[in-house]
Amino acid sequence: QKEVEQDPGPLSVPEGAIVSLNCTYSNSAFQYFMWYRQYSRKGPELLMYTYSSGNKEDGRFTAQVDKSSKYISLFIRDSQPSDSATYLCAMSAEGRGSNYKLTFGKGTLLTVNP
Amino acid sequence: GAGVSQTPSNKVTEKGKYVELRCDPISGHTALYWYRQSLGQGPEFLIYFQGTGAADDSGLPNDRFFAVRPEGSVSTLKIQRTERGDSAVYLCASSPGPDLVYGYTFGSGTRLTVV
Repeated sequence: QKEVEQDPGPLSVPEGAIVSLNCTYSNSAFQYFMWYRQYSRKGPELLMYTYSSGNKEDGRFTAQVDKSSKYISLFIRDSQPSDSATYLCAMSAEGRGSNYKLTFGKGTLLTVNP
Repeated sequence: GAGVSQTPSNKVTEKGKYVELRCDPISGHTALYWYRQSLGQGPEFLIYFQGTGAADDSGLPNDRFFAVRPEGSVSTLKIQRTERGDSAVYLCASSPGPDLVYGYTFGSGTRLTVV
């Protein structure tokens, strides 16, 4: 079992739909949770960053972390064609010497159709 | 520079050859990271530099892989005796410090193909 599991999709939705992406993990030491967006032939760019459990909202994006279930989610409201990309979850353990090292999921390929 | 620059963007090499991949981080960023992304997978950690020294090289797959950062800025990832399994996108990232609160900035990567 990999430390971070993410359904690779692909996921195809119509413009304006609410998108739900998620990851599960097995390492209870993970305390930092991130979502990255990666366009084709580009490097990942940070979308959302959450420390420990809880929700975080930024515009059309909401990140949720449930540490008791080892489950994280990213919701995209009013999805746009420009949101079409691969979405990667990433996690890291707490503490100096540990938290710089990211463990990524496989990524979910999302297509938003006009 | 404005972002993390990686050169070349694409590299095709023959099995058994030596390759060097270059990363130019954001000016002033002391922390630099190399990750490898195989087709259909998420990036995997290779090595972390703080300044000139490799603080953590635990992700390097074997001794054919080596990386340097002699002046604390530009870094070079070196792969000897390349194998077809080394084919992947090699991503470099930098940050102001080694803590995640600073955020990483990734480059666009070098796509290495070993034939």
